[in-house]
Amino acid sequence: QSALTQPASVSGSPGQSITVSCTGTSSDVGLYNHVCWYQQHPDKAPKLMMYDVNKRPSGVSNRFSGSKSGNTASLTISGLQADDEADYYCTAYSSSNTYVFGIGTKVLVL
Amino acid sequence: QVQLVQSGAEVRKPGASVKVSCRTSGYTFTTYYIHWVRQAPGQGLEYMGMINIRGGNSMYAPKFQGGLTLTRDTSTTTAYMELSSLRYEDTAIYYCARESPSTFNFDHWGQGTLVTVSS
Repeated sequence: QSALTQPASVSGSPGQSITVSCTGTSSDVGLYNHVCWYQQHPDKAPKLMMYDVNKRPSGVSNRFSGSKSGNTASLTISGLQADDEADYYCTAYSSSNTYVFGIGTKVLVL
Repeated sequence: QVQLVQSGAEVRKPGASVKVSCRTSGYTFTTYYIHWVRQAPGQGLEYMGMINIRGGNSMYAPKFQGGLTLTRDTSTTTAYMELSSLRYEDTAIYYCARESPSTFNFDHWGQGTLVTVSS
């Protein structure tokens, strides 16, 4: 089972909006709406930022939003802030009843 | 508050086994699943498997079938991950994470346990 494809890095200036993409197949991203996004700061555990494509857990800023079209999911961060600089991983529940993670995207705040 | 506290760093020789614990508190242990995810140095996250705490049944990602064993002790609200026949490439940080059944997301994570495989 191959990892989901994400850009290696995405950058933006404070206040701008950026979008991180996550491309899989019809057996994972395209199969169900069970796509999640996790944020990971250096030397920290991942943190759930988005689930079921576009649902935010309690406490996550509404500057984060999610969407999906076909086999590609996206995470958009609006009003970029310094603390948003981190690695972001998508994950999807797959047809093999297991999870597959994306390769990760480093978000840089210029 | 919900907490998942993992055991400390381990060093093992190739071919040995390692068992990592994930002690939970702040919620009803038996009503959630525990998943395990690992991260090799400088690499991304890799899914390993999960255990249904209530029933004790587990499911493993294909890559880990045969070498991975997930267990739990409901009396101490602790989940365990045991990986056998360790190889150098098993050097990684191992995380446990909680899922409310059929929500398909990991809402709380342990702090991670570094396992180093070295001769």
